[in-house]
Amino acid sequence: AQSVTQLDSHVSVSEGTPVLLRCNYSSSYSPSLFWYVQHPNKGLQLLLKYTSAATLVKGINGFEAEFKKSETSFHLTKPSAHMSDAAEYFCVVSETGGSYIPTFGRGTSLIVHP
Amino acid sequence: DAMVIQNPRYQVTQFGKPVTLSCSQTLNHNVMYWYQQKSSQAPKLLFHYYDKDFNNEADTPDNFQSRRPNTSFCFLDIRSPGLGDAAMYLCATSRVRGSSYEQYFGPGTRLTVT
Repeated sequence: AQSVTQLDSHVSVSEGTPVLLRCNYSSSYSPSLFWYVQHPNKGLQLLLKYTSAATLVKGINGFEAEFKKSETSFHLTKPSAHMSDAAEYFCVVSETGGSYIPTFGRGTSLIVHP
Repeated sequence: DAMVIQNPRYQVTQFGKPVTLSCSQTLNHNVMYWYQQKSSQAPKLLFHYYDKDFNNEADTPDNFQSRRPNTSFCFLDIRSPGLGDAAMYLCATSRVRGSSYEQYFGPGTRLTVT
């Protein structure tokens, strides 16, 4: 069985400051982990993915995430927030060798203040 | 560019009047998904096709049906829309192979029920 917990429903930052969106997962198999971003009234766009290669994963728009097996975490970070980063972010897990159906976290709304 | 296309982007229907949403893909992916997403919530899986095999989620209302006439197209039929069915409907695809089950999302169809 797989599950994912996004620890914050809202994160508020000032433009130019670092972003941290937290995600913990549970998986009975080797997990594949994803972060998606959704801007208002748009579909979901893949930011980055972890699929058992390098534990530090770089994505688009300056985002990166680190897979930590010992902590069962896959937190999303960005050194400097931009106004255009304001959106909903979803952490997603699926299982290699298990269910291919992804499980979504509840989402974290990122608010960026000028 | 290979992509997932959803039509229409916005759909207004009357209470009880059947409506069909469409999704097409040029990615040649074998799995297609339909999600319902309400405001400030994660996408909720309604059903998916693995090749030609239809898989219904246990809590998907009977009012929702789907067709996949070929690899490229998938339709969502809502037989008698209620006010509670107003939502964003997202189509997604994935190629289930190897270690990566990442999904590609369409832009969504915003359904309004009057």
